[in-house]
Amino acid sequence: GNSVTQMEGPVTLSEEAFLTINCTYTATGYPSLFWYVQYPGEGLQLLLKATKADDKGSNKGFEATYRKETTSFHLEKGSVQVSDSAVYFCALSDRPGGYQKVTFGTGTKLQVIP
Amino acid sequence: DVKVTQSSRYLVKRTGEKVFLECVQDMDHENMFWYRQDPGLGLRLIYFSYDVKMKEKGDIPEGYSVSREKKERFSLILESASTNQTSMYLCASTLGGADTGELFFGEGSRLTVL
Repeated sequence: GNSVTQMEGPVTLSEEAFLTINCTYTATGYPSLFWYVQYPGEGLQLLLKATKADDKGSNKGFEATYRKETTSFHLEKGSVQVSDSAVYFCALSDRPGGYQKVTFGTGTKLQVIP
Repeated sequence: DVKVTQSSRYLVKRTGEKVFLECVQDMDHENMFWYRQDPGLGLRLIYFSYDVKMKEKGDIPEGYSVSREKKERFSLILESASTNQTSMYLCASTLGGADTGELFFGEGSRLTVL
């Protein structure tokens, strides 16, 4: 079946540092890939997405590129802020057996300190 | 703004009680999902529904049931709550059809079973 593996946290960075959160996936079909973010006390919300190979998703300074050859979708941001402190989930969406199904990674907690 | 609303943010129940978690979406989405979120395990799919009165088991359906009598409403039922069902429960929906699978989440319901 499908699976998503992302780097374990927590990740602690100083403000303005460069962020990378690694994500790799296993899928039999041609999935869409997502990064979701969960701020403290809230549900998940979509951060960015890519629907086919070589697509780059971007939002709020975050970027991720759909790399089919390495089955990866790493999240990057050039300069993090304290307000970026949250839990980040990598996910893929596929249609095994015809039903849409979303598979999540275990989440990576990011803490940004001033 | 699109919205997924979960009826209770926090619940405390006793072992053996019947628990209802309600979820309503106002986006006319076809698909609805219930996940539970536990530290270190990410999000795990309990049940999903792709149409009114239809339901499919997810990865961890044991101890749960669901009901979808109307398109906008998807309920999760714990027939006899147990302490290992203490968790954060997240409802989500997607448009369905040929969409990319972007999930829209509610804010979550944190259930404690004593």
